[in-house]
Amino acid sequence: NAGVMQNPRHLVRRRGQEARLRCSPMKGHSHVYWYRQLPEEGLKFMVYLQKENIIDESGMPKERFSAEFPKEGPSILRIQQVVRGDSAAYFCASSPESGGAGGYTFGSGTRLTVV
Amino acid sequence: DAKTTQPTSMDCAEGRAANLPCNHSTISGNEYVYWYRQIHSQGPQYIIHGLKNNETNEMASLIITEDRKSSTLILPHATLRDTAVYYCIVRVSYNTDKLIFGTGTRLQVFP
Repeated sequence: NAGVMQNPRHLVRRRGQEARLRCSPMKGHSHVYWYRQLPEEGLKFMVYLQKENIIDESGMPKERFSAEFPKEGPSILRIQQVVRGDSAAYFCASSPESGGAGGYTFGSGTRLTVV
Repeated sequence: DAKTTQPTSMDCAEGRAANLPCNHSTISGNEYVYWYRQIHSQGPQYIIHGLKNNETNEMASLIITEDRKSSTLILPHATLRDTAVYYCIVRVSYNTDKLIFGTGTRLQVFP
């Protein structure tokens, strides 16, 4: 009964490259949330998705960032033309259809370093 | 979601109870109190939640005041592994909306 799986755990990209972060929710969970945590700062919400739909992207930067949660496969957070300021830990959480009454489950995160 | 206020940091001796307070004076009748923690560099971990009755599970106890304007998370026998940032979040249960994290309380458990 695996939890929320994120990969890769660590990702190094040069400025200008693309970063793709993957998140597989818990079995039976149909809601996915992405958060970003800059060094020494708190967790900031980015985007909330259901299968094939973006529900809330109010925390997503307007440019270079996109997210999807296809019918099949993991959710993907994509960052184009990365800059040093994108270096952060990116966490994914999932919840079941009925909502997070029992608490949302988070993955271990992807640490993105832009050099 | 209602705003919460927590102390920035707290210390606790290993083996003693850690009592982490949270104020949520604007909480609505249908909002629950949730507690999460984040151990250094790891993903946040759900601890416990409650509406108005005190709750206990294998990790902690949650005490909610009668007027529901504040609560206390209790770790009965703190260990070094409980050193983490603890977040108190107030939100409607059975709701799939996003969690909003504040700054939390940094708990340091010392030997």
